[in-house]
Amino acid sequence: AQTVTQSQPEMSVQEAETVTLSCTYDTSESNYYLFWYKQPPSRQMILVIRQEAYKQQNATENRFSVNFQKAAKSFSLKISDSQLGDTAMYFCAFDVAGGTSYGKLTFGQGTILTVHP
Amino acid sequence: ETGVTQTPRHLVMGMTNKKSLKCEQHLGHNAMYWYKQSAKKPLELMFVYSLEERVENNSVPSRFSPECPNSSHLFLHLHTLQPEDSALYLCASSQEGRGGGEQFFGPGTRLTVL
Repeated sequence: AQTVTQSQPEMSVQEAETVTLSCTYDTSESNYYLFWYKQPPSRQMILVIRQEAYKQQNATENRFSVNFQKAAKSFSLKISDSQLGDTAMYFCAFDVAGGTSYGKLTFGQGTILTVHP
Repeated sequence: ETGVTQTPRHLVMGMTNKKSLKCEQHLGHNAMYWYKQSAKKPLELMFVYSLEERVENNSVPSRFSPECPNSSHLFLHLHTLQPEDSALYLCASSQEGRGGGEQFFGPGTRLTVL
C-alpha cells in the first residue's frame, strides 16, 4: 500500500512571492505517477501538475514546478509569482502506473494555501 | 452542462432515510470514481468503475451502494447512514481509468446526517 504525507496543514504567502509545498510518499512500486491537485474554496478540484516517476526531469506548468527527489521519495510543489487566485487547498496524490491501476489515487491530507495581497 | 456535474449540491438526511447522489460526466470518459472528503482527513477513494464495471470497493460499508448504469452516469445510494458519514462526496471521471490519467472532479455533494 502507498502512503502520502503532507506535513504542512496551512501556509501563507504574499502576492508575487514564491512558496513551496511539501509532500513525501512511501511505496514499493517502481513505476508510478505523482500529482498535485488544487481545490479552490467552493470550487471544483483541478489538476495542477503531474510527474511520471521514470522521468528524471522535473515537471513544469507555467508558474508551477515540482522538485521530484525519487530516492528521498519527496515531491514538492513550487508556486512562483503567487496570485490571489492560487488560494486553495492543495493535495499531493500518488497513482501506480499501468492498466490495472484504474487510477486509484492515494491522497495526502492537504495543505491550505492563502495568498495575501 | 460541461465537465462533471453532481446533484444535489447539499443534502441533509436522517439516519433512517434513503437518498441517492447523482453524478454525470459530459467528457466521454470510461472510468468514474466516488471519493469521500472529511474534514482534516485525506480524500478516501470509495468506488471505481471502469467501462461500467466496478473494479474497486475500498472496504466501504454496505450502507453505501454504488450504481453505474452507463459510462456517463454514476449513483451513490445511501441508507441508514451514521452521523460520521457526514462529509463532502466527490465524483470524478477519467479517460481510460488507467494509472496516471488526469481525473476530472465534480463540485461535490455536501452531506449532513442528523
